[in-house]
Amino acid sequence: KQEVTQIPAALSVPEGENLVLNCSFTDSAIYNLQWFRQDPGKGLTSLLLIQSSQREQTSGRLNASLDKSSGRSTLYIAASQPGDSATYLCAVRPTDYGQNFVFGPGTRLSVLP
Amino acid sequence: SQTIHQWPATLVQPVGSPLSLECTVEGTSNPNLYWYRQAAGRGLQLLFYSVGIGQISSEVPQNLSASRPQDRQFILSSKKLLLSDSGFYLCAWMPQGGFYEQYFGPGTRLTVT
Repeated sequence: KQEVTQIPAALSVPEGENLVLNCSFTDSAIYNLQWFRQDPGKGLTSLLLIQSSQREQTSGRLNASLDKSSGRSTLYIAASQPGDSATYLCAVRPTDYGQNFVFGPGTRLSVLP
Repeated sequence: SQTIHQWPATLVQPVGSPLSLECTVEGTSNPNLYWYRQAAGRGLQLLFYSVGIGQISSEVPQNLSASRPQDRQFILSSKKLLLSDSGFYLCAWMPQGGFYEQYFGPGTRLTVT
């Protein structure tokens, strides 16, 4: 059974720092991996989707990498801003789970001005 | 462009009362639809998913049920709410098949008293 973990559970950084969020999954048989952000009391906003054949995806200050063989993905945020404060979740779509995703518990990020 | 709606946004219901949460998607056809629950401080739990009208799959046995009366409408129901049903309910959609992103609605905050 696929399990997804995210380390750290919470992170606090000063504004302007570059930072890395980690996502690990136990089974490398996945179609893709998706990163989301969630603001308090809100739904999830899709940030990046990486297909299993890809190594990374970039959107603005965000860069997500995928190492499927080792079961790891990282989300790199450059020049962090207070507006980046949110919970970041990763989700994988296993090949043996139909069209469903398995989510990690999230990393709560605080960027201090 | 596609839009996903959920209502109500918040709901306070007594134990033993019925429940009906609604989710609709605009701007797409034949989507996969999902209901998730997010309890305080915990990850997303997949409750139900649907690949077509009248086709519902349950991930977690409980006192909740789901229905899909129309292509882009997904309803979450209960005949008698329990205290443990409190949480944040999120509806999501994804294009059928392929390797696509999942998109989330704004959520419904349910408090059972």
